[in-house]
Amino acid sequence: TQLLEQSPQFLSIQEGENLTVYCNSSSVFSSLQWYRQEPGEGPVLLVTVVTGGEVKKLKRLTFQFGDARKDSSLHITAAQPGDTGLYLCAGLQPTSGTYKYIFGTGTRLKVLA
Amino acid sequence: NAGVTQTPKFRILKIGQSMTLQCTQDMNHNYMYWYRQDPGMGLKLIYYSVGAGITDKGEVPNGYNVSRSTTEDFPLRLELAAPSQTSVYFCASSYDGPMNTEAFFGQGTRLTVV
Repeated sequence: TQLLEQSPQFLSIQEGENLTVYCNSSSVFSSLQWYRQEPGEGPVLLVTVVTGGEVKKLKRLTFQFGDARKDSSLHITAAQPGDTGLYLCAGLQPTSGTYKYIFGTGTRLKVLA
Repeated sequence: NAGVTQTPKFRILKIGQSMTLQCTQDMNHNYMYWYRQDPGMGLKLIYYSVGAGITDKGEVPNGYNVSRSTTEDFPLRLELAAPSQTSVYFCASSYDGPMNTEAFFGQGTRLTVV
């Protein structure tokens, strides 16, 4: 069972366009992270959101955590070719006295020059 | 600081062979993880460890074994390779504590079982 669903799965847009990627779950997470992964590399952390309703901005990227801490969105303004990559959300859940990350299905973004 | 180092980067195995994927980190992190990533998919947790001597199963542990004899090393063992284990394997580590914890990933090991 996939706990974190991301949409869309694939997105191809022109440079300068805006886009939003969604990460949805029926489960509550202690915090949620967004990663970007480039071909042949491991994921790299972009941001962590902790509080329900929290909004964080990282240059042209805006991240929001849902009020109920079950969903999140990533909005990119004026996308650039350098934004191309696989975007992964990861929710932190308590399990057996510790915590572990549950990763989403991923959104593959291609920005065309 | 090298971060998280995985070896080998690529490997082709025949069905039934065994191998160990190596992972080492130099950040003195207590938590370490093994994930697999199938084409076009997110990451699935195989095993994790919260400290030396402690390991636990993740979502997809069947066909794999791990050990954690030191803080630095977290090898993943495949005993009888099967085509279903063809995947890219990522090792990661993170600092103690569950909140605001960044996981640092290695570059991955691409494994093909034929």
